[in-house]
Amino acid sequence: NAGVTQTPKFRVLKTGQSMTLLCAQDMNHEYMYWYRQDPGMGLRLIHYSVGEGTTAKGEVPDGYNVSRLKKQNFLLGLESAAPSQTSVYFCASRLTTWGGRSSYNEQFFGPGTRLTVL
Amino acid sequence: SQQGEEDPQALSIQEGENATMNCSYKTSINNLQWYRQNSGRGLVHLILIRSNEREKHSGRLRVTLDTSKKSSSLLITASRAADTASYFCATDALSGSARQLTFGSGTQLTVLP
Repeated sequence: NAGVTQTPKFRVLKTGQSMTLLCAQDMNHEYMYWYRQDPGMGLRLIHYSVGEGTTAKGEVPDGYNVSRLKKQNFLLGLESAAPSQTSVYFCASRLTTWGGRSSYNEQFFGPGTRLTVL
Repeated sequence: SQQGEEDPQALSIQEGENATMNCSYKTSINNLQWYRQNSGRGLVHLILIRSNEREKHSGRLRVTLDTSKKSSSLLITASRAADTASYFCATDALSGSARQLTFGSGTQLTVLP
C-alpha cells in the first residue's frame, strides 16, 4: 500500500495564479482532510470530507476550494493564490469517525506539498 | 484556534535521558493523540489515549491524561538521537457534525549524541 500520497511535492506560484493539489489514498478511508502548517505552528484544518461527494469547511477555509469526486482522491484548489497561502500543505485520511478500535481514530498523513506564492 | 498547546516549545537533552512533553487543551475530548514529525516529512501517529484512560504505554512511550486538568504528557524514555523530531498533541472531539483533530503547536525535541 502506498498510503497517502500528495502531488506535487513542491510548487512556486505567482500571486493570482491558480493550482490544484492532489491527494490520493489507497486504504479505502472514508474521511479525508487538508491541513496547512506554518512555521512554529501546528496544523490547521482547511477543509475536510466525510465521504465521496461531500466536503465541509474547517478552521481556515477562505481562499481554498475542495472536491471529492472519488473516494480515494481529495483535491485542494487555490483559485487566485496569495502570498499568505505560502505554506506546507498536508493531506490526511482516516478510516471512520467512530469505532472502538484505535485504528478508527488515527489519521494517516501524506508527505506534504511545499507551496511558495511570490 | 489551537485546542492543544504543548510545553515546552523546544527541548534539548542528551542521548539516554528521558524527555517529557506536556499538552494542555480547552474542551471535552473523545481521545488525545500524539504525533511525531521528522523534518520535512508528514506526521506519524504515535499513540492514542481515550478520555476514560489515565495512562498508556507503547514501547519507550508513556502517555498520561488528566481530564480534570485538561492536560496530557508524553514521556520518551532512554532517548536516542533518532528521536529528534517535532511532537504534536492532537485532541479528537466533535466539531459540528464530525469528529476532528485539533493540533497543538508542537515541541521540538533535539536529542544530542
